[in-house]
Order: sequence, then C-alpha cells, then structure tokens
Amino acid sequence: QVQLVQSGAEVKKPGASVKVSCKVSGYTLTELSMHWVRQAPGKGLEWMGGFDPEDGETIYAQKFQGRVTMTEDTSTDTAYMELSSLRSEDTAVYYCATRVYCGGDCFDYWGQGTLVTVSS
Amino acid sequence: SSELTQDPAVSVALGQTVRITCQGDSLRSYYASWYQQKPGQAPVLVIYGKNNRPSGIPDRFSGSSSGNTASLTITGAQAEDEADYYCNSRDSSGTVVFGGGTKLTVL
Repeated sequence: QVQLVQSGAEVKKPGASVKVSCKVSGYTLTELSMHWVRQAPGKGLEWMGGFDPEDGETIYAQKFQGRVTMTEDTSTDTAYMELSSLRSEDTAVYYCATRVYCGGDCFDYWGQGTLVTVSS
Repeated sequence: SSELTQDPAVSVALGQTVRITCQGDSLRSYYASWYQQKPGQAPVLVIYGKNNRPSGIPDRFSGSSSGNTASLTITGAQAEDEADYYCNSRDSSGTVVFGGGTKLTVL
C-alpha cells in the first residue's frame, strides 16, 4: 500500500521560500511520477507540476515557472517542492499526489497536505 | 482560469440521481478523472479513464464522456456523497489541469 507523508505546516514571510517534503512508502520514488497540487483557502485544486515519464523530465505549470522547483531524493524516497518569492496569494494547502493503479492523468494517492501560510 | 469548466454548485435529493459535468476542448482527446473532496481532507479519486472506479469506490459512481463534456453520475445519492467534486485532464498545451470544482449538496 502506497503512503505519502508530508512535512508539517509552515509560516513564511513574503519574499521567503518554502520547501515541502513528501515521503513515500510502499513503493520506491523511482517507480512513481510525483506531482504537486495546491489549494488556496476556499478555492479549487491547482496543478503546479510533476514528473512526465514520457519526456523523462519535470514539467511545471506556466504560472509557477521560475518560482518552483521539484526535486527527488531517491536514497530516502522523498520528493520536495520548493516555492520561492512567496506572496500572500501563495497561502494554501500543498499536496503531493501520484498515480499507482490508475492510467492517464489521474492521481490515486495523495499526501495529507501541508498548510503554508504567507504572512508578514 | 481553468480550461475545464464545472458548474459551481449542484443539489440532489437523497436517493436520487445527479450528474456533474466538466466541459473543455481537451476532453475531445483525453479522458477526465474525477475526485471527491470533503472538508479538511485530501481529494479522493472516484473515476478515471473511460469509466473505471478505484478499489473501494461504490458502484453508484460512474463516468461518461461525449464530445467536449465529461460527466460524473451518482445513482442513488447518499448523504455521505455531499462534497466538492473536481475533474481533471489535460489542457490545450498538454499539461495537467483541474476544473474549478462543483459543490454537491444532498437534500
């Protein structure tokens, strides 16, 4: 059974960076394509980016290009999402998500979410 | 703004059937997936592909597609189905996108 366990809540000041982790168990990270999705308070889901196995590279949503970096540490099966130049609009719950059994652009396993609050 | 359009809110009487739709040009080429999200919880995949349910998802949930519209149907809605529902697929540039979400109220 796949489990994705994320790091704890963060409070950051505008202009700072945040790095959220997502620890995988039940599978190795190399077997998965990890994606990141965020949800601002009272708003919908927003895809930020993820690994595309067809291209063998990480693809970022245009909105976040230049500000987001997604990395992986295969020795610890941990994925990371770092978002820089934070602003108040980045206050959101950040989820890692992946697909194990479903096919296509679906995500059947999600982390529990990490609340990032950006406030001066 | 999302390239997948959903109605913001839909309601259904207990035990009745409800259809939640998702519209977008990319749906002519790609299947939509559907997620249920309850307050304070992570989304849960309920439908993917042509009409596939992950293990543990009740068979009252089904999916379909026609042209640029994908639909999630709940046949015999239960009180526990009250939640936000999101579709996702790819956009015109081939990257992943989510619909804006539909709040389902079970009356």
